[in-house]
Amino acid sequence: DTGVSQNPRHKITKRGQNVTFRCDPISEHNRLYWYRQTLGQGPEFLTYFQNEAQLEKSRLLSDRFSAERPKGSFSTLEIQRTEQGDSAMYLCASSSSGGADTQYFGPGTRLTVL
Amino acid sequence: AQSVAQPEDQVNVAEGNPLTVKCTYSVSGNPYLFWYVQYPNRGLQFLLKYITGDNLVKGSYGFEAEFNKSQTSFHLKKPSALVSDSALYFCAVRNAGKSTFGDGTTLTVKP
Repeated sequence: DTGVSQNPRHKITKRGQNVTFRCDPISEHNRLYWYRQTLGQGPEFLTYFQNEAQLEKSRLLSDRFSAERPKGSFSTLEIQRTEQGDSAMYLCASSSSGGADTQYFGPGTRLTVL
Repeated sequence: AQSVAQPEDQVNVAEGNPLTVKCTYSVSGNPYLFWYVQYPNRGLQFLLKYITGDNLVKGSYGFEAEFNKSQTSFHLKKPSALVSDSALYFCAVRNAGKSTFGDGTTLTVKP
């Protein structure tokens, strides 16, 4: 399967702990996106990369959140000092670099903060 | 700023009947519009998109969508619903990198 993969699929953590999620995009895609989805809502944009450059960050992305894509392939999303409000599904997507190119989503990482 | 509205939280149809899931949007410039479907505990699966050209777009699993610029709408349609179409459907508008999604419509197809 050559789709977008995300690890772990589920993460349970205690408030105040740090967590890191990984996303592996479709290999030929140079754009990678992170979204957050809470129950009853559509995905909300967090940030995106073109190759290793982070081109846009949402105001939703507080300073406790950081994302990297060091070699322009996989990406990591780290949340420091987690809060209960961080509990959500974190979705990763990838696409080619065209403005209308389809974003293909991974299965997501479900984070539960106790 | 861009936005998407899906005015119906839930749509119920009988199997074999036509279905419509509504979407309206607001964006500056030419819109790129998408429909995705989400099954429980799964990521979003792409159904179809509108970039330019023909206002009727055909996509996966027999779905189609009609772009209406004057009404700023992009409604998802299928001539004959299947029970297996029951899922959560999202409309999205794209500007540069990011997509803005609606809050989703739960489609239930009853046998």
